[in-house]
Amino acid sequence: DAMVIQNPRYQVTQFGKPVTLSCSQTLNHNVMYWYQQKSSQAPKLLFHYYDKDFNNEADTPDNFQSRRPNTSFCFLDIRSPGLGDAAMYLCATSRASGSSYNEQFFGPGTRLTVL
Amino acid sequence: AQKITQTQPGMFVQEKEAVTLDCTYDTSDPSYGLFWYKQPSSGEMIFLIYQGSYDQQNATEGRYSLNFQKARKSANLVISASQLGDSAMYFCAMRFTGGGNKLTFGTGTQLKVEL
Repeated sequence: DAMVIQNPRYQVTQFGKPVTLSCSQTLNHNVMYWYQQKSSQAPKLLFHYYDKDFNNEADTPDNFQSRRPNTSFCFLDIRSPGLGDAAMYLCATSRASGSSYNEQFFGPGTRLTVL
Repeated sequence: AQKITQTQPGMFVQEKEAVTLDCTYDTSDPSYGLFWYKQPSSGEMIFLIYQGSYDQQNATEGRYSLNFQKARKSANLVISASQLGDSAMYFCAMRFTGGGNKLTFGTGTQLKVEL
């Protein structure tokens, strides 16, 4: 089945130690997104790629970076994780579309713990 | 600015009963799409149903239907014949054509289905 895969599902890191979260997709979608979701809150978009074009949200901290080496893979790098970065990180994909219908397909998420 | 409001932080419903989850939105864009996602405790966001701003009929998908009242700017989700497996967080989200590929999420409603 076509899907969005995130690895690992659970990640524990130490305060200040760089960490990379991985997302891959078999849907061949143009657009890939990274969301941060803290407990009992709505997902917050960090950035997204439209093909190779990177689109950062204005309030995304510089501590968060992303790479998309090819259509299938996208990585989220947290350069110096702080305690406040502990959250669920969701990857999503969609087709690029000029219409309002643009379902996003989500991966299972990576739950990040910062010690 | 686009805004989605979900005023019910938590809802309870008895098994086999119907339940309505409220969602109101604000946008000046005439073309937009409204989505409902379900998020179980495992974390994955599951797409449930979509309604386009120009759709003449309310969307339905199995036990899910959308009560779309455009003049009131509301898009309430109706779940019929609730099941224990429906217990989850439910998010309303909106995409408007002028916003690129981004979704704006509401704060969510936690639904608990009881025996």
